[in-house]
Amino acid sequence: GAVVSQHPSWVICKSGTSVKIECRSLDFQATTMFWYRQFPKQSLMLMATSNEGSKATYEQGVEKDKFLINHASLTLSTLTVTSAHPEDSSFYICSATGQGTLNQPQHFGDGTRLSIL
Amino acid sequence: SQKIEQNSEALNIQEGKTATLTCNYTNYSPAYLQWYRQDPGRGPVFLLLIRENEKEKRKERLKVTFDTTLKQSLFHITASQPADSATYLCALDITGHNNNDMRFGAGTRLTVKP
Repeated sequence: GAVVSQHPSWVICKSGTSVKIECRSLDFQATTMFWYRQFPKQSLMLMATSNEGSKATYEQGVEKDKFLINHASLTLSTLTVTSAHPEDSSFYICSATGQGTLNQPQHFGDGTRLSIL
Repeated sequence: SQKIEQNSEALNIQEGKTATLTCNYTNYSPAYLQWYRQDPGRGPVFLLLIRENEKEKRKERLKVTFDTTLKQSLFHITASQPADSATYLCALDITGHNNNDMRFGAGTRLTVKP
């Protein structure tokens, strides 16, 4: 149980393109979803936290107009990288926690490798 | 400043030995701590959670300790196997209020040689 599916797994596109990444919880309702960015051999950097039906909370230094997050249902959150540039190339990973008890583990998708040419 | 540090970027051990990974933190008072495994090109997978009032937690060949005085967690893999080779991440509850607000260490890449 507790499967999170992330799509696409990789994408290559031209500079200036907007890219949408989907994160779905397949067998549980995700009260909270998290979006991370990871550079090679570095830690997961939290970008934003989103709760279903409310606006995402962005971490300091993350441009909310650049990285649009929508969490419209308990099973789907999307991250849109708007007008992407080469410096946005990275590995983006989502995770989700379900309803119920506190201090739950996060269930991660397998990430999206984004390459901007 | 607040930090989460995992002792080394890489750790190489021989099959059958015990791997010990360290997670140190400063200026946090976590209510709990988690360990995850991440394979290349994949998302992390949850392994164990240990709460501040627990000294030790075990799951099969895995053992985690949590010392809130030293501000340190140790993660042990006994009888290690090549299949245990991966990057291991510790994650802290940074608010101390059990509300799933976690931050991750950079990870330790473990290689178990046959």
